[in-house]
Amino acid sequence: GESVGLHLPTLSVQEGDNSIINCAYSNSASDYFIWYKQESGKGPQFIIDIRSNMDKRQGQRVTVLLNKTVKHLSLQIAATQPGDSAVYFCAEIDGGSQGNLIFGKGTKLSVKP
Amino acid sequence: DAGVTQSPTHLIKTRGQQVTLRCSPKSGHDTVSWYQQALGQGPQFIFQYYEEEERQRGNFPDRFSGHQFPNYSSELNVNALLLGDSALYLCASSLDPRGEKLFFGSGTQLSVL
Repeated sequence: GESVGLHLPTLSVQEGDNSIINCAYSNSASDYFIWYKQESGKGPQFIIDIRSNMDKRQGQRVTVLLNKTVKHLSLQIAATQPGDSAVYFCAEIDGGSQGNLIFGKGTKLSVKP
Repeated sequence: DAGVTQSPTHLIKTRGQQVTLRCSPKSGHDTVSWYQQALGQGPQFIFQYYEEEERQRGNFPDRFSGHQFPNYSSELNVNALLLGDSALYLCASSLDPRGEKLFFGSGTQLSVL
């Protein structure tokens, strides 16, 4: 992933609205992708994953979309709640690697009540 | 069922010192990975341990070393600390050595003065 230093991209949404967080990846050999949520003072928490043979996967209030043509991943959160406020990271695994999860840029989501 | 636990939660060291961080994986998990997360950035892979051996290593110098014990717990050692080693050190465990479905601990915040 790219380094963003101390300035994370920020997304601010109103409570109840839908949120879309985007992520670009560069390794065409990556075959597994994950979204993590990281709250202040905590480690990353698994949200949802998707394999490269799929283009969409849904969970509870979350949907991940994968566009391999343009190497783009997105996370959609429906009816965003204040508890969704956190930093969100996408991560990928190269099909030929073992144990090396590569994290992308984080996006800070702020939910306004 | 306890998740991944790390100790200590915070640590302050001075340049040149050595530090040992500890991790107990989630119950039933036999693979432990360590990540370094600098402020405002995504975690970066340091190395992974499975069956008490280092299986894969990221782009970190030899000052970073580790160990896995028969009960699957792990230690991360950093020698000759530099100011740039200040970061959140995350331990993650999984059943899958490929790194899928990683469960992260809350991390150890290391400050090097």
